[in-house]
Amino acid sequence: ETGVTQSPTHLIKTRGQQVTLRCSSQSGHNTVSWYQQALGQGPQFIFQYYREEENGRGNFPPRFSGLQFPNYSSELNVNALELDDSALYLCASSNTQGVDSPLHFGNGTRLTVT
Amino acid sequence: AQTVTQSQPEMSVQEAETVTLSCTYDTSESDYYLFWYKQPPSRQMILVIRQEAYKQQNATENRFSVNFQKAAKSFSLKISDSQLGDAAMYFCAYRSTFIQGAQKLVFGQGTRLTINP
Repeated sequence: ETGVTQSPTHLIKTRGQQVTLRCSSQSGHNTVSWYQQALGQGPQFIFQYYREEENGRGNFPPRFSGLQFPNYSSELNVNALELDDSALYLCASSNTQGVDSPLHFGNGTRLTVT
Repeated sequence: AQTVTQSQPEMSVQEAETVTLSCTYDTSESDYYLFWYKQPPSRQMILVIRQEAYKQQNATENRFSVNFQKAAKSFSLKISDSQLGDAAMYFCAYRSTFIQGAQKLVFGQGTRLTINP
């Protein structure tokens, strides 16, 4: 079974630009969530998608947005990049949105904003 | 809001010895899940062990076990017979049982574990 894959692995952007990060969920998984992990910190929940709808969001501004596609792949979009957006972005998927369903994480995308 | 605190930024242990990583959390909920994740240099979060709050028995997975003290809101991880491959960042995490945002994990700041040969 294919695990969670994220692309690209590394990315450098300039302040004010926009960025799109991509995630392919593990086969059979219909729920995806995104996390931001600043250097030396634990990950912070950005939002969750289930069946193409956002159904849970953390304390992040609207310039962080997402999409989930019919094949359950997902995108994280960040507009008007700020220096503090520099972080590792992790995608996680599960086969249901139930609490009993374990999360499977990808290897993340390292975003650097200069 | 729930919070998770790991008070040990770094720990080290001799290979084959036992080490305990500490975690405390704060919540007003009575039912929830607690986790320990391992993050090696590959950056992928790997689930080490899971504990349901309604279960009094401490979870065990091979060399990994937890000491879950619900009243004290404490959830420590014990690694027995430490191996070089155990070296990584370890994160304690909390997950609510509410469906919306069910994938929301609240993580601690992490503990970097070094294994000395």
